Amino acid sequence: QQQVKQSPQSLIVQKGGISIINCAYENTAFDYFPWYQQFPGKGPALLIAIRPDVSEKKEGRFTISFNKSAKQFSLHIMDSQPGDSATYFCAARVGTASKLTFGTGTRLQVTL
Amino acid sequence: DAGITQSPRHKVTETGTPVTLRCHQTENHRYMYWYRQDPGHGLRLIHYSYGVKDTDKGEVSDGYSVSRSKTEDFLLTLESATSSQTSVYFCAISESVKNNEQFFGPGTRLTVL
Repeated sequence: QQQVKQSPQSLIVQKGGISIINCAYENTAFDYFPWYQQFPGKGPALLIAIRPDVSEKKEGRFTISFNKSAKQFSLHIMDSQPGDSATYFCAARVGTASKLTFGTGTRLQVTL
Repeated sequence: DAGITQSPRHKVTETGTPVTLRCHQTENHRYMYWYRQDPGHGLRLIHYSYGVKDTDKGEVSDGYSVSRSKTEDFLLTLESATSSQTSVYFCAISESVKNNEQFFGPGTRLTVL
C-alpha cells in the first residue's frame, strides 16, 4: 500500500528550465511534508519541507506548493542546473517518532 | 553525513546466514531509523528506535530485528538472510519530534546470494 504516490518516475529538463515533481497522499493525519534529494552513492538529504497550514514555501530555486483540499503537494525547481541532477523523494510524516512515509522517487536529469 | 557511520558499507552473503548491520552516531540524537531502498519502492521503514532499548516496527519489519543498547548504536539483524533482502540499507537519525529533520547515513549495500 503506497500511502504517498509520486510522479513522474523520471524527468529530463533542459538547463534553465523548470522541473516539477508531484506527490499525492491519502492519510489526512500527515502533518509534515519534506522533500529529500539523493545523489548516486549517497544517503538522502533534506532539501525543503512544509507543514499543511502553509500553501507555499520557497527556498532559493526550490519551491513546495501544497494543496490541502486536493491532498497534493509538488516540488518546483526553477532555473534547473546540471548539478540538480539527482533522485528526489517526497515524504510525509504522521504521529510520534517522526516516522516518514516516502514516495517512490523521481530521477531528474538536467541536460545542457 | 551528520556524524553517522554505517558498517559494513558493502556485504555479500549467502541465503540462510545471519547478518548484522551497524549504525553509529555521534550526534546524541534520540531517534534512530532503519530503511531499505529498492527500485520502484523508494525508502521503506524497517524499524525505528525512540530511545535506548525502546524500539518499534516499521512497515517492512518481517525478517528483521533491531537492538539499541546505547544511544549511539542501532543494530539491524537479519536472522536468516533471504534473496528478497538484497537491498541498500540506510540508517537515519532525528533529534526530536519537534525538529523533524532526519539525517541519513551513507548506506550499506547488501547482496544475498
